[in-house]
Amino acid sequence: DQQVKQNSPSLSVQEGRISILNCDYTNSMFDYFLWYKKYPAEGPTFLISISSIKDKNEDGRFTVFLNKSAKHLSLHIVPSQPGDSAVYFCAASDSGTYKYIFGTGTRLKVLA
Amino acid sequence: KAGVTQTPRYLIKTRGQQVTLSCSPISGHRSVSWYQQTPGQGLQFLFEYFSETQRNKGNFPGRFSGRQFSNSRSEMNVSTLELGDSALYLCASSLGPTGGDSPLHFGNGTRLTVT
Repeated sequence: DQQVKQNSPSLSVQEGRISILNCDYTNSMFDYFLWYKKYPAEGPTFLISISSIKDKNEDGRFTVFLNKSAKHLSLHIVPSQPGDSAVYFCAASDSGTYKYIFGTGTRLKVLA
Repeated sequence: KAGVTQTPRYLIKTRGQQVTLSCSPISGHRSVSWYQQTPGQGLQFLFEYFSETQRNKGNFPGRFSGRQFSNSRSEMNVSTLELGDSALYLCASSLGPTGGDSPLHFGNGTRLTVT
């Protein structure tokens, strides 16, 4: 049972435009969500997080939106840069379970 | 501050053998988690340790085990290796208990190949 889903395996965006990565979840008990970026041969790097008590969190070019009623979150990258080309994972946690559930990832390619 | 260190980076083993992977968390981090990454499967949770206690375990067979030492360093062991165990094994540490406002910080992983 895949509790966290990233339905788009890949996404291509032109440099300077907006990248929107999507993530859906099924467990209404999830109360914390994170986004990670992963380059080949490296471990995932933490990007940004959001608590379920918020619907938006910004950090520079990265903004995460949470729609609890739709059980959906998205990561916006504006403007996109070639260095943003990587695999992006969303993850969710139910506090007290001491684990994060990860999606299968979306490969973003930013074209120069 | 040094990041999460995993050793070795690459490992080639034969079916039936056993393997031990090592992880040193970020200094001051007491929680260590292990994940398995395979193509198309994302990151699958193996287990989480805090203060030498395993607090959660994923849906993996008993061949997968781990432990955490008093200095927070952790090891993961896989016995009777199978071809399907070939994967990238990632260790992550967090300052507080995993989950909530305590994001995971990952190492670069150990690439295990079983032949």
